[in-house]
Amino acid sequence: ELKVEQNPLFLSMQEGKNYTIYCNYSTTSDRLYWYRQDPGKSLESLFVLLSNGAVKQEGRLMASLDTKARLSTLHITAAVHDLSATYFCAPGQGGSEKLVFGKGTKLTVNP
Amino acid sequence: EAQVTQNPRYLITVTGKKLTVTCSQNMNHEYMSWYRQDPGLGLRQIYYSMNVEVTDKGDVPEGYKVSRKEKRNFPLILESPSPNQTSLYFCASSLYYAGQVNQPQHFGDGTRLSIL
Repeated sequence: ELKVEQNPLFLSMQEGKNYTIYCNYSTTSDRLYWYRQDPGKSLESLFVLLSNGAVKQEGRLMASLDTKARLSTLHITAAVHDLSATYFCAPGQGGSEKLVFGKGTKLTVNP
Repeated sequence: EAQVTQNPRYLITVTGKKLTVTCSQNMNHEYMSWYRQDPGLGLRQIYYSMNVEVTDKGDVPEGYKVSRKEKRNFPLILESPSPNQTSLYFCASSLYYAGQVNQPQHFGDGTRLSIL
C-alpha cells in the first residue's frame, strides 16, 4: 500500500526567502503530481512529473522527481505572499490508476 | 469553457436518507475520480473510473457507490449516509493516454456535505 509523507506540514516563511517542501512515498510510482489549494477553493494542478530526474519549473516554483529515492521536492524561490496556499503531492500507485495524496503543506508567506 | 461541474455545492441532510452528488465534465475525459477531504487527513480517493462501465475502488470506498453510464457523468451515491460521511467532496477528471493517467486532473469546485 502506498504511503505518502509530506514535510513540513506547516511552513511560515518571509517574502524573498527560499524553501523546499519534501514528498516521500513508500512504494514504486511512475508519476507524481503537485497541486495547490487556496483556502475555501478547489485544487489547481501545478506539475506532472513522469520520469526519474524530471524537473519542471513555473515562475518561483520548481518540482523534481527522484523515483529511485522515492522523493519529490517542490522548491520555492524568493517567496511572495501570493504563494500562500496548501500544496499537495500525489504519487500514482504503480500498476493501477489510484492516486494517493499527501496530507498537504500549508505555506504562509509573510511580508 | 472546460470544466468539471458538481451539484449540489452544499447539502445538509439526515442519517439514512439516500443522496446523489452529480459530477459532469465537458472535456471528453476518460478518467474520473471522487475524493473526500477532511481536516488533518488530506484528500482520500473514494472511487475512480477509467471509462464508461469501468470503475474501481480507491482507498475509502465503504458507504459509497458510483456509476459510469456515460463518459461525461460520474455520480457519487450515498445509499444510507451516516455522520462520518460529513466531508468536502471533490470530483476530478483527466485524459487517460497511453495506458495511464499522465495528465493533470481537473477538479470541480467541491460539494460540502453535512449529515446529521
